[in-house]
Amino acid sequence: LAKTTQPISMDSYEGQEVNITCSHNNIATNDYITWYQQFPSQGPRFIIQGYKTKVTNEVASLFIPADRKSSTLSLPRVSLSDTAVYYCLVGGDSSYKLIFGSGTRLLVRP
Amino acid sequence: NAGVTQTPKFQVLKTGQSMTLQCAQDMNHEYMSWYRQDPGMGLRLIHYSVGAGITDQGEVPNGYNVSRSTTEDFPLRLLSAAPSQTSVYFCASSSGLEYNEQFFGPGTRLTVL
Repeated sequence: LAKTTQPISMDSYEGQEVNITCSHNNIATNDYITWYQQFPSQGPRFIIQGYKTKVTNEVASLFIPADRKSSTLSLPRVSLSDTAVYYCLVGGDSSYKLIFGSGTRLLVRP
Repeated sequence: NAGVTQTPKFQVLKTGQSMTLQCAQDMNHEYMSWYRQDPGMGLRLIHYSVGAGITDQGEVPNGYNVSRSTTEDFPLRLLSAAPSQTSVYFCASSSGLEYNEQFFGPGTRLTVL
């Protein structure tokens, strides 16, 4: 199982772009990279998923370099409501075990 | 669609008692899983299922049993509750084609005294 490493916490201010990087050196060929967001007292919520290069949706962008050993979740113009814990997961056809790491606690300040 | 539902929302048990946490989904998802989350920590996978009749162990399966007799339901049984099992339990489901995109239930907050 590919293990992921993320910063424990990050601080930002409203209106700024936030980039959270995840390291996954042992990612398997068939693994996808998935990011979740979790607010206090709620279950995690799927944000975005990608395999390579760049993926963008209405919430975030995901950048994946060619070697796929890391990925960066980009949140444009964060607001106070983006304060949450963000988890990076890797998984795919090689394993149905979806393992969450420790996550990155993002605090957005006014 | 109700999505993923979990009952009860809160439960207090005494050490040694047994109980079943219920999880149901109405999205016809093949993949279902159970996680626990201790205060201030990440989620840990307890058990998962890739379809009716098929279950497997996750990271922390000891002290828990699961079964998957139908596509919709995936109950989690605590055999003999211990204080170390005090946690918030989340159930999740996803389709077989996009099983990385899991939908989570609201959680069950369990306290074992």
